[in-house]
Amino acid sequence: EVQLVESGGGLVQPGGSLRLSCSASGFSFSGYPMHWVRQPPGKGLEYVSAIPTNGRTTYYADSVKGRFIISRDNSKNTLFLQMSSLRIEDTGVYYCVTVVAAVPYWGQGALVTVSS
Amino acid sequence: EIVLTQSPATLSLSPGERATLSCRASQSVNNYLAWYQQKPGQAPRLLIYDASNRATGIPARFSGSGSGTDFTLTISSLEPEDFAVYYCQQRSSWPSWTFGQGTRVEIK
Repeated sequence: EVQLVESGGGLVQPGGSLRLSCSASGFSFSGYPMHWVRQPPGKGLEYVSAIPTNGRTTYYADSVKGRFIISRDNSKNTLFLQMSSLRIEDTGVYYCVTVVAAVPYWGQGALVTVSS
Repeated sequence: EIVLTQSPATLSLSPGERATLSCRASQSVNNYLAWYQQKPGQAPRLLIYDASNRATGIPARFSGSGSGTDFTLTISSLEPEDFAVYYCQQRSSWPSWTFGQGTRVEIK
């Protein structure tokens, strides 16, 4: 069974940093691209970042470009999102997502709150 | 970027009624279209993938149809637990997935 478990969320001040992790199991992690999607409180879903299997040519939404870095450790079946220069508008639940055999799988999400 | 437009924004129906939700793409998404249900405080729940395939454990009252740019999610007979927000999502354009803005199905 595919499982994705996010961790690392919390409360951070504007301008601060936070690192999210996503631990994957139940599939061959190294063989699948991975994604981060977020949802601000009371709002819709927003695509944040993506990384291919080899970790190169990463993608970022314009709203996070230059501040967030996506990476993966295929030896530990773990996806990361390093978030820096955090803004109040980065507040929300962050989900890691993958697609295996055409089926999208989502984690339960990690809450990030940016507030002074 | 492929834009997904969902309609209506809100659907007011009674239990037992049929719900028809629409998702229109600004260009073809090659049927790489998924539908999700979300309730407050919960992660999105996958209902339909690749336009018409029901996800594991999803009741048969949920069905997806469409191709190219026009897609529909149909709930044949609303149960009380079906009142929620529904999103469509395309994964046709790597790596930039996009989501619709959501349709709220509320009790009339």
